[in-house]
Amino acid sequence: DTGVSQDPRHKITKRGQNVTFRCDPISEHNRLYWYRQTLGQGPEFLTYFQNEAQLEKSRLLSDRFSAERPKGSFSTLEIQRTEQGDSAMYLCASSGQGATTDTQYFGPGTRLTVL
Amino acid sequence: GIQVEQSPPDLILQEGANSTLRCNFSDSVNNLQWFHQNPWGQLINLFYIPSGTKQNGRLSATTVATERYSLLYISSSQTTDSGVYFCVSRPAGNNRKLIWGLGTSLAVNP
Repeated sequence: DTGVSQDPRHKITKRGQNVTFRCDPISEHNRLYWYRQTLGQGPEFLTYFQNEAQLEKSRLLSDRFSAERPKGSFSTLEIQRTEQGDSAMYLCASSGQGATTDTQYFGPGTRLTVL
Repeated sequence: GIQVEQSPPDLILQEGANSTLRCNFSDSVNNLQWFHQNPWGQLINLFYIPSGTKQNGRLSATTVATERYSLLYISSSQTTDSGVYFCVSRPAGNNRKLIWGLGTSLAVNP
C-alpha cells in the first residue's frame, strides 16, 4: 500500500509525559502537513513541510510542540509535557508539487488520549 | 480571512435517496476540495474541483468559482456514504494553509 501511514494509531499517556508520532507520506510527495482534529470539528492546520523545510507553523502550535522532517521523507510530531487539552486526533497528509497535484491525501491518524 | 460555510449541518437519508450538499466560500479560492470522513475517522479525498463539474460513480461535484459556491451531489445513497463531508478551500495566493468548513454530517439509514 502506497498511501500515507501513521504510527501509532492510538496513544494513551499521562499528563506531563512526552509523546512522539510518526508519519510516512506517499513516497513521491514532497509536501507534508500535520493537522489536529477534535470531536465535532474539522481538522486544524498545525504545520507544513516542503521537502525538509518547515515553511509554515500555526499559532496553535505552542512551544511544547515540535515537528521535524529531517530527510524530506517521514516526519515526526513531538508533544512535550502533554496536557489534557492535547487529547485529539493528529492527522498527517501529503501532496505532490504543482497546482493540479495539490490534492492532499490523509493518513488514518493517531488518536491521543491524555489522562 | 476566508470563510467556508457548509449546509446543511446534519442530514439523515433513507438508503437510495439523493442529496445535495452545499459549500459557500467568502473569497476567491484556487483550491477547492471535498473530503469524506468515515465513521472511523479516515479522510478520503473525493474531488479536487476549483471550477467546473466532475463525476465519480454516484458522486458528482460542481464549483461555480465566480459565484463562490460548490455543490456535492450524492445519488442513490448507501449506508457506506455515512460520515462527515468537508468542503475545503485555499485562498488565492501562495498560502498552503487549507480552510475547512464545519462539515455536513450524513447518516444513511437502511
